Amino acid sequence: DVKVTQSSRYLVKRTGEKVFLECVQDMDHENMFWYRQDPGLGLRLIYFSYDVKMKEKGDIPEGYSVSREKKERFSLILESASTNQTSMYLCASSWAGTGGYEQYFGPGTRLTVT
Amino acid sequence: TQLLEQSPQFLSIQEGENLTVYCNSSSVFSSLQWYRQEPGEGPVLLVTVVTGGEVKKLKRLTFQFGDARKDSSLHITAAQPGDTGLYLCAGDGWYGGSQGNLIFGKGTKLSVKP
Repeated sequence: DVKVTQSSRYLVKRTGEKVFLECVQDMDHENMFWYRQDPGLGLRLIYFSYDVKMKEKGDIPEGYSVSREKKERFSLILESASTNQTSMYLCASSWAGTGGYEQYFGPGTRLTVT
Repeated sequence: TQLLEQSPQFLSIQEGENLTVYCNSSSVFSSLQWYRQEPGEGPVLLVTVVTGGEVKKLKRLTFQFGDARKDSSLHITAAQPGDTGLYLCAGDGWYGGSQGNLIFGKGTKLSVKP
């Protein structure tokens, strides 16, 4: 079974702090994704990566950066956390071959910025 | 821009009832997936449909992909409280000519009361 793990289930940070969210997958997937999920807005793509050291902006990259130094690990960084970044953050991974591009999600990190 | 519209947004039913959830778009998708997400958890893949007109069954859940590959439906027979959750449909989309990303609907929140 694919396993995607995220470093924290719950996180509380103060405005202006630098925040690191870590995601690790164990299925040797090429693709990795970071989403945020808010009521009424659904899942919104922040950044994605198709390969090590590669990153592409999604729909809402402002205020975020990412790092992918190893194939299995994809980190999301909030350079200076703000209250409007309070959200549920979901990491996902997928295989890069042809087919359905199914994504496998981690359990999520509920981030609160005060 | 590719969009997936899900209906209804909310559904509250009694145990034993049948229900259908819809996922519609004006765009053609190569494949479409359905996910279920329980509160506080990440989405879990239920099924992928690839061929127009395809029907897949997963116990009491029946998934159908439209002939034109623009829409899909999820039918649950004799719903149980364990079916409660957010049901998301997702189709493979394009970002700048790159395939591998998914376009997500906003979801249908299902509550099954005992």
